[in-house]
Amino acid sequence: GNSVTQMEGPVTLSEEAFLTINCTYTATGYPSLFWYVQYPGEGLQLLLKATKADDKGSNKGFEATYRKETTSFHLEKGSVQVSDSAVYFCALRGGSNYKLTFGKGTLLTVNP
Amino acid sequence: KAGVTQTPRYLIKTRGQQVTLSCSPISGHRSVSWYQQTPGQGLQFLFEYFSETQRNKGNFPGRFSGRQFSNSRSEMNVSTLELGDSALYLCASSLGGVNTEAFFGQGTRLTVV
Repeated sequence: GNSVTQMEGPVTLSEEAFLTINCTYTATGYPSLFWYVQYPGEGLQLLLKATKADDKGSNKGFEATYRKETTSFHLEKGSVQVSDSAVYFCALRGGSNYKLTFGKGTLLTVNP
Repeated sequence: KAGVTQTPRYLIKTRGQQVTLSCSPISGHRSVSWYQQTPGQGLQFLFEYFSETQRNKGNFPGRFSGRQFSNSRSEMNVSTLELGDSALYLCASSLGGVNTEAFFGQGTRLTVV
């Protein structure tokens, strides 16, 4: 079945530092890949997506590239802000199954 | 455009009771999915409905059920509540294709005492 593995947290950075959160996946066929963000006490917000190999999703300074050869979809941001502090989830949806399969989430804390 | 609306936001129930949660999807979206989020198990898929038909189901006991109405609004029901059912229940709506984005509501926080 489908699965997503993302780096264990928590991740603590200083403001303006570079962020990478690793995500790798296992799936049959060509899944769509997503990053979601969850702020305390809220639901999940879609951050970015990519639907085919070599696609780059981007939003609010965050980027992730769909790498089929390494089955990866790492999240990056060049300069994080305190307001980026949240839990980040990597997810995939693919094959004949319409459900989203999530990683365990990575807690990011950005200090001023 | 209104987002996904879940009601109520918070619930406290007693073991053995039943509960019904409601989800109104984004206008035009025909797919509604439900997820359970707990600190131990993370985000787990419950079921997905598309045009009033259950299209996918996760590995949850039969106490968890759902339905979707002709206006795409969905409800999920949990009967005979257990302490372990305490969780954040999230609803997501989408257009329904495999490659389409899913948009989540703010969730219903269920506490079973």
